[in-house]
Amino acid sequence: EIVLTQSPGTLSLSPGERATLSCRASQSVSGSFLAWYQQRPGEAPRLLMFGSSSRAAGPFTRDTGIPDRFSGSGSGTDFTLSISRLEPEDFGVYYCQHYGGSPPITFGPGTKVEIK
Amino acid sequence: QVQLQESGPGLVKPSETLSLTCTVSGVSITSGGHYWSWIRQHPGKGLEWIGSIFYNGDTDYNPSFKGRLAISVDTSKNQFSLKLSSVTAADTATYYCANLRKSLTAASIPNWGRGTPVTVSS
Repeated sequence: EIVLTQSPGTLSLSPGERATLSCRASQSVSGSFLAWYQQRPGEAPRLLMFGSSSRAAGPFTRDTGIPDRFSGSGSGTDFTLSISRLEPEDFGVYYCQHYGGSPPITFGPGTKVEIK
Repeated sequence: QVQLQESGPGLVKPSETLSLTCTVSGVSITSGGHYWSWIRQHPGKGLEWIGSIFYNGDTDYNPSFKGRLAISVDTSKNQFSLKLSSVTAADTATYYCANLRKSLTAASIPNWGRGTPVTVSS
């Protein structure tokens, strides 16, 4: 089983600051199958990045997609989600997720980004 | 646009079977590359994949559910369903239906239902 670990557990930042979130896999994985999700309180998770570095289109045709202040990078066991300048709507919990292995879908425990 | 909507009882008694249905709109459930999935979230906790089904009935289950789980698909209604038997309080969670999109080179979950809370209690 591939175990995903996320750090930090909580990130306290102010609007306008940069956020850097880490996701580490227990063994080397393909970045093609690494995704990131945002979950705001009371909402379902929302896909942000797939293939570790590709921003997702919005779930609705009118949605312009994920803003370019979000970026993803990494390979092997270490992946990063960066938010260049935090907006008020960016606060929430972020999960990384991998597809592959058994079970085929695993999620990290999440990083909470809260307003400082 | 793809939309998913969960439906089913919000309260289930211990030892009984939790049954939920997900109605899909905006795409045919028989479309290739779509794996219709159930994911749950315990209160205040992270996400746990339960299982997925392809339109032809092929399933993939999380081994942690140890034979309690059945996921089925009804292509005539564009729906898929979850049955989880012998529930306990540990199965109290918000249950999401979702759309795993998978290809040879990528896999992610772009579409989620709003989630339905289920409480297991007598």
